[in-house]
Amino acid sequence: EAQVTQNPRYLITVTGKKLTVTCSQNMNHEYMSWYRQDPGLGLRQIYYSMNVEVTDKGDVPEGYKVSRKEKRNFPLILESPSPNQTSLYFCASSLATGPQETQYFGPGTRLLVL
Amino acid sequence: KQEVTQIPAALSVPEGENLVLNCSFTDSAIYNLQWFRQDPGKGLTSLLLIQSSQREQTSGRLNASLDKSSGRSTLYIAASQPGDSATYLCAAGNWNRDDKIIFGKGTRLHILP
Repeated sequence: EAQVTQNPRYLITVTGKKLTVTCSQNMNHEYMSWYRQDPGLGLRQIYYSMNVEVTDKGDVPEGYKVSRKEKRNFPLILESPSPNQTSLYFCASSLATGPQETQYFGPGTRLLVL
Repeated sequence: KQEVTQIPAALSVPEGENLVLNCSFTDSAIYNLQWFRQDPGKGLTSLLLIQSSQREQTSGRLNASLDKSSGRSTLYIAASQPGDSATYLCAAGNWNRDDKIIFGKGTRLHILP
């Protein structure tokens, strides 16, 4: 089944404890991205990647890191989480960027930073 | 900078009615406009994608239109059902050096049985 998977789905952590949220897609997509969703602010893009070893900042990259060593994986790293990073995170992928490309979303990771 | 707006933020209509959800964008240099559905606590599911060269797309009871010159897109839902209750988001894909996809904040739709 074609899908985008994220792990973990739920995470409670404390301020300053490094964490990684994994994202994997099995559709051979080139484009992958991370979003956070907050009430009243909607979906905001954190980072995106056009292909392996190519990453770029979205609208809210501060406090986050990403890497794209393999085409299928795009982990999101919080080196020193803070309470303002409590949010619902989504990973998404598409075959490429362009007029005909639909984005596919993962199920989301709900993060609480105490 | 592209801004995408969806009004109203919430909408309640009786079952069986036809309805229109609105999406407006400030920069017409888009390569596509997508409509998504999000159920509470869940991910986003793509409903329709309109390429910049197209005027509309249809899938079942859903019809999405795009008017780049006026910066507007609409999602028409025919014969609404309680199962249509969800949040609907539109997203504009931009032809610019950043290649970003900008989302509206969504319209929360409630279909009354």
